[in-house]
Amino acid sequence: DTAVSQTPKYLVTQMGNDKSIKCEQNLGHDTMYWYKQDSKKFLKIMFSYNNKELIINETVPNRFSPKSPDKAHLNLHINSLELGDSAVYFCASSQERLITPNEQFFGPGTRLTVL
Amino acid sequence: QKEVEQNSGPLSVPEGAIASLNCTYSDRGSQSFFWYRQYSGKSPELIMFIYSNGDKEDGRFTAQLNKASQYVSLLIRDSQPSDSATYLCAVKTKNFNKFYFGSGTKLNVKP
Repeated sequence: DTAVSQTPKYLVTQMGNDKSIKCEQNLGHDTMYWYKQDSKKFLKIMFSYNNKELIINETVPNRFSPKSPDKAHLNLHINSLELGDSAVYFCASSQERLITPNEQFFGPGTRLTVL
Repeated sequence: QKEVEQNSGPLSVPEGAIASLNCTYSDRGSQSFFWYRQYSGKSPELIMFIYSNGDKEDGRFTAQLNKASQYVSLLIRDSQPSDSATYLCAVKTKNFNKFYFGSGTKLNVKP
């Protein structure tokens, strides 16, 4: 199946731990994103990579570090987890085009709960 | 001011009625506009995109864009209970690959 996949789907951990979320897309897209969706359903962009290069880095604590080993993968590592990090994290991908809109395709999400 | 604003709802309509969802945006240079549907516990899925002023129809869905008013809407005709979900408006700005999402409007279609 062509899709955006994320692992794990659920992540429950203690405050202060370090955790990683992985994302892979097999759509052949050149751009990948991480979004955070809070309890109020507000979807906020965190990072964007184009051809493995970081192009968007929103106001995110530096405890969050994305890594893109290749165009098809974008991982998110979070250090020293805090209660406020609890949310659903979505990975997305798109193909950047100059003329037609480049819609994003979302992964299934990772529900992170920090205790 | 948020980049994209939506009424959070819930918007309740009876089955078979027209549901009208609205969105305003602040960046006049925004280029492309998207409507996503998100069921509870699921990821957003694209319904429609529009980038020219006017209307764009796809089945029961019509997207409307008015760049002068910085306004985009989604009409759902013959609403079905399966349309009950949160609808997210997204805007792509001039900044490379920068998308902004609204907080979503929850739609309830009552049988």
